[in-house]
Amino acid sequence: NAGVTQTPKFQVLKTGQSMTLQCAQDMNHNSMYWYRQDPGMGLRLIYYSASEGTTDKGEVPNGYNVSRLNKREFSLRLESAAPSQTSVYFCASRVLVNAEAFFGQGTRLTVV
Amino acid sequence: QKEVEQNSGPLSVPEGAIASLNCTYSDRGSQSFFWYRQYSGKSPELIMFIYSNGDKEDGRFTAQLNKASQYVSLLIRDSQPSDSATYLCAVNNNAGNMLTFGGGTRLMVKP
Repeated sequence: NAGVTQTPKFQVLKTGQSMTLQCAQDMNHNSMYWYRQDPGMGLRLIYYSASEGTTDKGEVPNGYNVSRLNKREFSLRLESAAPSQTSVYFCASRVLVNAEAFFGQGTRLTVV
Repeated sequence: QKEVEQNSGPLSVPEGAIASLNCTYSDRGSQSFFWYRQYSGKSPELIMFIYSNGDKEDGRFTAQLNKASQYVSLLIRDSQPSDSATYLCAVNNNAGNMLTFGGGTRLMVKP
């Protein structure tokens, strides 16, 4: 069982470059989330998609865009990467609101 | 004020002791609460969830919820060195669609 799969696992970008982080789940979950985690800090919500066709901003959306491509896939795009976006990014999904969230293995992004 | 607050620690307890982890939240309408454990360099994994006031026990773990006081806690009995990790409290907002995490408490269990 794959669960939640994120690609890539590691990435180094130069300031100003763009990239898309991919997330796919095979659990038929309705809701999907993107979080970032900085050293010594908890998870901060960037964007979420409560159901297919909807996306909403979380706590720290500036500098990011998302696409809920279909029920399985939820991508996060950095249009012009900045060093402040150096972080570990986690994708999560859950079947319903109020249910347990399952996490991907994370993407370690460094912007130089 | 952060929506979900935890003491960052580290909380150090000897092996076999009870570890007590606390979390407060600001959204009085929150309905569901989760405790996750995260080992260094790994993804968070669910330990317990609780929806109703009172205690919920699962093995060595007990979650406690007090909605009137807006706090949720996690007790770990007979703590083991393998319990050393960061524990994250997560709270659903009133509408249920946003899951907000606290900053986490680092627990160290010393043999």
